[in-house]
Amino acid sequence: ETGVTQSPTHLIKTRGQQVTLRCSSQSGHNTVSWYQQALGQGPQFIFQYYREEENGRGNFPPRFSGLQFPNYSSELNVNALELDDSALYLCASSLAGLAGGQDTQYFGPGTRLTVL
Amino acid sequence: QKEVEQDPGPLSVPEGAIVSLNCTYSNSAFQYFMWYRQYSRKGPELLMYTYSSGNKEDGRFTAQVDKSSKYISLFIRDSQPSDSATYLCAMETGNTGKLIFGQGTTLQVKP
Repeated sequence: ETGVTQSPTHLIKTRGQQVTLRCSSQSGHNTVSWYQQALGQGPQFIFQYYREEENGRGNFPPRFSGLQFPNYSSELNVNALELDDSALYLCASSLAGLAGGQDTQYFGPGTRLTVL
Repeated sequence: QKEVEQDPGPLSVPEGAIVSLNCTYSNSAFQYFMWYRQYSRKGPELLMYTYSSGNKEDGRFTAQVDKSSKYISLFIRDSQPSDSATYLCAMETGNTGKLIFGQGTTLQVKP
């Protein structure tokens, strides 16, 4: 177990609705990244938060937004849901090192979102 | 063209076989190379992590990186039915936190 939890496990929404997905990082980890994994594909980077600030974004529109809180929890919000937003949403926590380099990301189990 | 290419399989092997999984990539700036294992309906689990070129061994798993050919491999020795999963390669240039994943290869090890 990575110590990273996500809720809910599954979610069904209709097109046009808004959704909030939640993640609880490993204790002490100051960085959370969110990924979208479509069926049969590898995860795609949405964005990363470091100490409650957005710290890099992938090729996703502004209707995808996030928040990171001081208590190691974070949220992914998606507005105006589209059918193509149906996917497994993964969060990954890591501890960003001061010296740079690669910070190992530990993934949660994901939230499966279905948009009808 | 995708930055990271990975054959989706599926790959089916008998128990005890040596498995070879591979990825190619186009971005020469990648410095960090990872292999994740993902069981059905679970999140990816880090298996191996390699910096730059070379080999790394951990139990039955060996990761190889050839930066000159932009090619990475994961070898699984004495494969077990419990190794049946999807294997994802991932890469990063460094300091970005942005992992670029391959499509994943589905492996089935038959008893």
